[in-house]
Amino acid sequence: GQQVMQIPQYQHVQEGEDFTTYCNSSTTLSNIQWYKQRPGGHPVFLIQLVKSGEVKKQKRLTFQFGEAKKNSSLHITATQTTDVGTYFCAGSWGGATNKLIFGTGTLLAVQP
Amino acid sequence: NAGVTQTPKFQVLKTGQSMTLQCAQDMNHEYMSWYRQDPGMGLRLIHYSVGAGITDQGEVPNGYNVSRSTTEDFPLRLLSAAPSQTSVYFCASRNGQGRSGANVLTFGAGSRLTVL
Repeated sequence: GQQVMQIPQYQHVQEGEDFTTYCNSSTTLSNIQWYKQRPGGHPVFLIQLVKSGEVKKQKRLTFQFGEAKKNSSLHITATQTTDVGTYFCAGSWGGATNKLIFGTGTLLAVQP
Repeated sequence: NAGVTQTPKFQVLKTGQSMTLQCAQDMNHEYMSWYRQDPGMGLRLIHYSVGAGITDQGEVPNGYNVSRSTTEDFPLRLLSAAPSQTSVYFCASRNGQGRSGANVLTFGAGSRLTVL
């Protein structure tokens, strides 16, 4: 079946440092979404990318979708302790948008 | 609106027991789904439904049954629990049937299941 590979699994940063997580698919995605899960919580939607080369920003968060629609990244500038949690990408392929397949997630720890 | 409500929050079962995880949403969402979350494995899709009376398999459907008799409810049944089904289960719903502008999942708070 289709898979989304996500790296790194874990990242520990000092508060104020930047952070990036990457997702890759071996085949072209229809769209990709990003979710954040706080420790002990449930995933919460952040953003959806649909177009090739799309870049979207939410305050300190920058989301990119690759030109070939096979990869995506989430970059956080100047991390804060409130950024702690697991970040997941989730993709769908072709017409199968009813199957949203999640990556394994990147756990971000921020040391004050 | 309560959103997506899951019960129970915690459950301990013995191997071979059966149980049902309940999921209800009050947003009139057509699409509902169940995921399980295990350390290092991310969220894996178990089953999903695009509307009442319609269900389909996800990535890891074995050992689980679902039905969708109403728009609001989407229960997940374990007929004979196994230790490998120890996990955190999330129910999620969304509006529409995959239209690109209506693809956002709303998750419940989760149900933590332990099978001894």
